[in-house]
This record gives sequence, structure tokens and C-alpha cells, in this order.
Amino acid sequence: QKEVEQNSGPLSVPEGAIASLNCTYSDRGSQSFFWYRQYSGKSPELIMFIYSNGDKEDGRFTAQLNKASQYVSLLIRDSQPSDSATYLCAVSSGGSNYKLTFGKGTLLTVNP
Amino acid sequence: DTGVSQNPRHKITKRGQNVTFRCDPISEHNRLYWYRQTLGQGPEFLTYFQNEAQLEKSRLLSDRFSAERPKGSFSTLEIQRTEQGDSAMYLCASSVGGQPQHFGDGTRLSIL
Repeated sequence: QKEVEQNSGPLSVPEGAIASLNCTYSDRGSQSFFWYRQYSGKSPELIMFIYSNGDKEDGRFTAQLNKASQYVSLLIRDSQPSDSATYLCAVSSGGSNYKLTFGKGTLLTVNP
Repeated sequence: DTGVSQNPRHKITKRGQNVTFRCDPISEHNRLYWYRQTLGQGPEFLTYFQNEAQLEKSRLLSDRFSAERPKGSFSTLEIQRTEQGDSAMYLCASSVGGQPQHFGDGTRLSIL
């Protein structure tokens, strides 16, 4: 059973702070890693994806991947109240990048 | 790019009835996916189409579930003889090649 683990939270940070979201996965064959944001009652929205070890930055978001440790993280700089949502980590295995295995998500609350 | 479209947005039905959902992917996306999400959980993979071919079905997809994508464009997901446990958000996603998946707004199914 391939698993993706996330702290369910809630993670609470003040406005302007850095939010750090973490994810571990069990399948060493995993090759593609994704972060989706999901507002309550809405569908998942792609935020970041990363395929190689290291960091990938896009605006206020940075994804970090460490395949040796089977660990992927998402940093949100200058957190805003509008960032308050559940963040889902998803992993795809086998190189085909079609079947995503999701974690349960981490609820982030950014306090004004 | 009008996004992935799902209909209906909400479906309420009595136990034992059949229901059918429709998904229209982003144009030119040859890959289409169905997921199911229950409260507090991440989406779970159900099935995957590449063009009109259904290439994988999860063991979650019991004999009561069937999905089609007859012309490689829109897809339907049918649930026969619905049960209480079928209550969930049914999400459709699409992608082109190995690119990340983009989700529709989902169909929320409630079984009375």
C-alpha cells in the first residue's frame, strides 16, 4: 500500500510569516510530486509540482524535494489570510504520472 | 481554456437509485481521471482514461461503478444501486501527456 503522510494540522501562522507544510511518502519509485490547495467545499487547485531533488520556487511558494529521505515540503512566504486552506500533497509513481496518491491534507490558518 | 467542467454540481438521490455524472475535460487533454473524496480525506483514485481507452481501474471501483469515455472527449461515471457509503465528492481531472492534472469543481453526491 503506497502511502502519503501529512500532519493534519491545523497549522496556524500569523499574517506575513512563513508557513511550512511537510509530506512523506512510502514508495521509493515515486517520481512526481504535487501540492494542491483546497478551499472548503471546493476542488483541489494545483499550486506547485516538482520532479527533481532540491528547491523549486514560484512567487511566494517554494517546493522542496529530498528523494533520499522520501520527503517533500511546501513553504509559503509572506502568508496571507487568503492562503488559509487545506494543502494536499500528491505523489505519482512509475513514471507515467497518471495515478496520484494523496495525503489527507494539512489545514492551514493564517491569522490577520 | 475553460477548465474541467463537471455536471451536476450536486446530486441527491435515494439509496438504490442509479446516478450518472458527466465530465468535460480541458480541450486537447487526452488523459482523464476520476477520483472520489470523502470528508477529511484526500482524493482517492478511481479510474484513468487515455483518449477513449480505460487503462486502469482501482479496486475501489466496484461492479456497481462504470465509467466511459466513448469518443475520447467527455466522460461519464455511473453508479448503480447506490449505497450510503457512496456519498462523497466525485472529482474529475484532466491532463495532456505527463503534465500535472487539473481538477473540475466536482459533483457532490448525497444518498438519502
